[in-house]
Amino acid sequence: GAGVSQSPSNKVTEKGKDVELRCDPISGHTALYWYRQRLGQGLEFLIYFQGNSAPDKSGLPSDRFSAERTGESVSTLTIQRTQQEDSAVYLCASSPGIRNTEAFFGQGTRLTVV
Amino acid sequence: KNEVEQSPQNLTAQEGEFITINCSYSVGISALHWLQQHPGGGIVSLFMLSSGKKKHGRLIATINIQEKHSSLHITASHPRDSAVYICAVRSGNNNDMRFGAGTRLTVKP
Repeated sequence: GAGVSQSPSNKVTEKGKDVELRCDPISGHTALYWYRQRLGQGLEFLIYFQGNSAPDKSGLPSDRFSAERTGESVSTLTIQRTQQEDSAVYLCASSPGIRNTEAFFGQGTRLTVV
Repeated sequence: KNEVEQSPQNLTAQEGEFITINCSYSVGISALHWLQQHPGGGIVSLFMLSSGKKKHGRLIATINIQEKHSSLHITASHPRDSAVYICAVRSGNNNDMRFGAGTRLTVKP
């Protein structure tokens, strides 16, 4: 597709269950970012992938959060043993990876933990 | 202290007014982005700046690298400009981004 695609668009899960969120970046984009936005709050950096380099995981809030990306393709963000405070919109963005380039955002996955 | 500070947090204007949103940052950057987020969450990139000034329609973005400050201006504001405007900086050392808390703009008819 032409843009960044995220799935699912909405996810409701029970506390304690694991969830997996998917991001399909724009083809050819080497950089991929995951962000979280809690209700009424700003964007919070989670993790950043750049090509085959080791990802920057400095924003992951706990060891329940992990993300993978194979090469320059799809990325998955996994949240284990979900808690209610994990409820948020999870946004993915990609960019060509060269420094001064724009980032393109997906529509996000709205996660609700009940 | 956040690396990226925006002001004001909330802004209400009458249609037609000139709007200014400010962004200050404390780290070395390679680029600064202005983003627009509408209700429903979709984010659109408005500008990417590394120096000077850019203009697109009624929107103007400026950056002063020495002062580590950027402004987003909206001329002849319209109710459809109502959104959250987010400043984001790309670190000078790597390629990740850090965000301001956003400015919620409401333009009343």
